Amino acid sequence: DAEITQSPRHKITETGRQVTLACHQTWNHNNMFWYRQDLGHGLRLIHYSYGVHDTNKGEVSDGYSVSRSNTEDLPLTLESAASSQTSVYFCASSESNGGQTTDTQYFGPGTRLTVL
Amino acid sequence: AQSVSQHNHHVILSEAASLELGCNYSYGGTVNLFWYVQYPGQHLQLLLKYFSGDPLVKGIKGFEAEFIKSKFSFNLRKPSVQWSDTAEYFCAVILNQGGKLIFGQGTELSVKP
Repeated sequence: DAEITQSPRHKITETGRQVTLACHQTWNHNNMFWYRQDLGHGLRLIHYSYGVHDTNKGEVSDGYSVSRSNTEDLPLTLESAASSQTSVYFCASSESNGGQTTDTQYFGPGTRLTVL
Repeated sequence: AQSVSQHNHHVILSEAASLELGCNYSYGGTVNLFWYVQYPGQHLQLLLKYFSGDPLVKGIKGFEAEFIKSKFSFNLRKPSVQWSDTAEYFCAVILNQGGKLIFGQGTELSVKP
């Protein structure tokens, strides 16, 4: 069955370190997204991609970067981790139908990141 | 800016009670609407969605939602909740221009057995 996986599921790191969170989907979806979930804020969009070599900034992109070298993967990098980036991170993907990007998003299991 | 509002942050019900969770969005154009559920410790799962057609949509586990365009609302309902419905519920909207999913703040539902 097609799925979307994230690794690691839990990560503890120190302030200033570079951290990369992996997201891999086997849906063959063109669209991939990264969100962070914080109490009282719901989910907020960090970065997204509509296809290979395409990346776009979301609502809360400062301090994060992504790259899309293939269809299946969209790794999220925290260049220099800060305590404010302690959060739960969700990756999602959706199909693109003829350029329309309005289809259902399917979510991964999440990565709980703690920055000390 | 476009936004999604969920008016109830925490709802506590007894089993068999009826549920209605409010969701309003601010955007005058065409939208696609979703309700997602997140059970404790799990990822978001799609409950139901509305793209077009009958404004009353039925989802999994006995949930339904009604799109009322004039009120910019997409409220979630269930006639009789169960303890297993304890979870956080998120309303979300995709604007037809841009394709980005905008989430509400979430409503935590606690069902007492």
